[in-house]
Amino acid sequence: DTAVSQTPKYLVTQMGNDKSIKCEQNLGHDTMYWYKQDSKKFLKIMFSYNNKELIINETVPNRFSPKSPDKAHLNLHINSLELGDSAVYFCASSQGGLAGSTDTQYFGPGTRLTVL
Amino acid sequence: LAKTTQPISMDSYEGQEVNITCSHNNIATNDYITWYQQFPSQGPRFIIQGYKTKVTNEVASLFIPADRKSSTLSLPRVSLSDTAVYYCLVGETGGFKTIFGAGTRLFVKA
Repeated sequence: DTAVSQTPKYLVTQMGNDKSIKCEQNLGHDTMYWYKQDSKKFLKIMFSYNNKELIINETVPNRFSPKSPDKAHLNLHINSLELGDSAVYFCASSQGGLAGSTDTQYFGPGTRLTVL
Repeated sequence: LAKTTQPISMDSYEGQEVNITCSHNNIATNDYITWYQQFPSQGPRFIIQGYKTKVTNEVASLFIPADRKSSTLSLPRVSLSDTAVYYCLVGETGGFKTIFGAGTRLFVKA
């Protein structure tokens, strides 16, 4: 069984469209994340959720709206897509919130978004 | 959060030991040092984590000097499949914010 899964794996769309990426983890973790990896391969955190509550929002445009219906899911909805949104988006999860623990993050396979 | 500095890229040959050093001069008392590996078209994968001295697992060793201002990831006898980007991260575990640097691209040649 895949620990962290994302759908779709590839997403090609036109500028101005709205799209969603889904993420699910079956590890029983409390914390989930979204990262963006651009063409230069820099991996930047976008959001962190702990127990369905938003913890970190790294100055991401309002067009990006994460939704966590339960602890196992963190979906990413993007409105009015722009060319600069083209990137690979990774979802991750970790136990989280346990200071001093080995809070390993487990990443999904990524979703390659191409905005035309 | 402590900033990390790593070499942009390294080359090696199969069977060699590879050491990748990461500088983190502003590491805080509660910070741990964590290394991730990322293959093309995949998400990063945890390799090893340590606080001080030496940590070893089945994949790698992590050497951390007493002042903790740097750390060295050691990969014994690399193979072609070790070609990947290796990220050094410094932060407090249990925190919700993780900063990935540019990473080190390791090329292993036959």
